[in-house]
Amino acid sequence: GAGVSQSPRYKVTKRGQDVTLRCDPISSHATLYWYQQALGQGPEFLTYFNYEAQPDKSGLPSDRFSAERPEGSISTLTIQRTEQRDSAMYRCASSPGTSGRVEQFFGPGTRLTVL
Amino acid sequence: AQTVTQSQPEMSVQEAETVTLSCTYDTSESDYYLFWYKQPPSRQMILVIRQEAYKQQNATENRFSVNFQKAAKSFSLKISDSQLGDAAMYFCAYRIYTGTASKLTFGTGTRLQVTL
Repeated sequence: GAGVSQSPRYKVTKRGQDVTLRCDPISSHATLYWYQQALGQGPEFLTYFNYEAQPDKSGLPSDRFSAERPEGSISTLTIQRTEQRDSAMYRCASSPGTSGRVEQFFGPGTRLTVL
Repeated sequence: AQTVTQSQPEMSVQEAETVTLSCTYDTSESDYYLFWYKQPPSRQMILVIRQEAYKQQNATENRFSVNFQKAAKSFSLKISDSQLGDAAMYFCAYRIYTGTASKLTFGTGTRLQVTL
């Protein structure tokens, strides 16, 4: 596609429910990143994929958070048993590779609100 | 661990004037990249400018330029001839040069207001 897309753009859920967020990266981009941005803060790294592989999950806050990219293109981020502190903007970014030289292109984000 | 600090939560500039946003970072790496991203009210993340640490020359992109001081670990953004459309959150970010750990580490942001 022309850019990184994410869905849904907004999600409101009740505490304890599971949510799944979707990211559709730029086609042919090998690398996909997930970031969490709390209100008034900068984005914080959650995890990333190089094709299907997930080399770094160090930023995931707890085992309630998981991500997949089974076919090396679309990725999903799932939060189980949501808590109010999970409320944030979740951003996806893709890039052609993992080198620091290449730009990461960000999607519009999914704003998650946990009531 | 790498950290990025933006000590100015808010800045204000008059239209057509110049403003400088500050950023400092901490790293033990010698090769890395530094970025400034703009986040307008639409909440998109837009790359403004990039600097490679091995380059001594400061990067420029039209009205945007940086003052990169590697020894001081300082990376400020100068916006010249400020325009109303420059009003946004600005985030400084760091990324290592190569390898698998190429995530971006962001500062907490500076909100820039542009007044008439």
